[in-house]
Amino acid sequence: GAGVSQSPSNKVTEKGKDVELRCDPISGHTALYWYRQSLGQGLEFLIYFQGNSAPDKSGLPSDRFSAERTGGSVSTLTIQRTQQEDSAVYLCASSLGSRHQPQHFGDGTRLSIL
Amino acid sequence: AQSVTQLGSHVSVSEGALVLLRCNYSSSVPPYLFWYVQYPNQGLQLLLKYTSAATLVKGINGFEAEFKKSETSFHLTKPSAHMSDAAEYFCAVSGPGRGGSQGNLIFGKGTKLSVKP
Repeated sequence: GAGVSQSPSNKVTEKGKDVELRCDPISGHTALYWYRQSLGQGLEFLIYFQGNSAPDKSGLPSDRFSAERTGGSVSTLTIQRTQQEDSAVYLCASSLGSRHQPQHFGDGTRLSIL
Repeated sequence: AQSVTQLGSHVSVSEGALVLLRCNYSSSVPPYLFWYVQYPNQGLQLLLKYTSAATLVKGINGFEAEFKKSETSFHLTKPSAHMSDAAEYFCAVSGPGRGGSQGNLIFGKGTKLSVKP
């Protein structure tokens, strides 16, 4: 499809396990964003990639969270040693460039930590 | 620091009635402001944005919003509600980010809009 694709759509894992969430942005979009949506906290910014620039990691909640973007396209968000408070929907978005807001969101990955 | 307040976590209107969703912002710099809509089990879709041009911004699906600096508001309106407008709506302001990047959007808590037949 032409939209932002996220996988898996749902992920259930045990506390303490590591998880990887994947985002395929729209082709040609140089900016990629990760947000987290939870009942208690609403929508929270996590990290922002723009082209080859160093990512803006100011929203990552702890050092258990990391993300990378390979080849300026696909991004992976990794959560190590998951905790129950990590349960949320993780949303990825992309846009044409740094002068554009996140315009195209994926449907998210619903992460549940048991 | 930037912040957004959406008044009313749930708004209910009748089909054909005016929709008014309230958003007030706080920003230390001239803000960029946004409204997004989220349908169940989907991601967010951009409705409209204010980026310091015209204060009355028209978006998709018949929605519009007016930037009022004196009131620090950016309320979303639609003259006549349709059943398909039932969704959750989020107001957002661009955060400081690094070098003023627009990656860091700060969202309000959202307002769920219900439309009664």
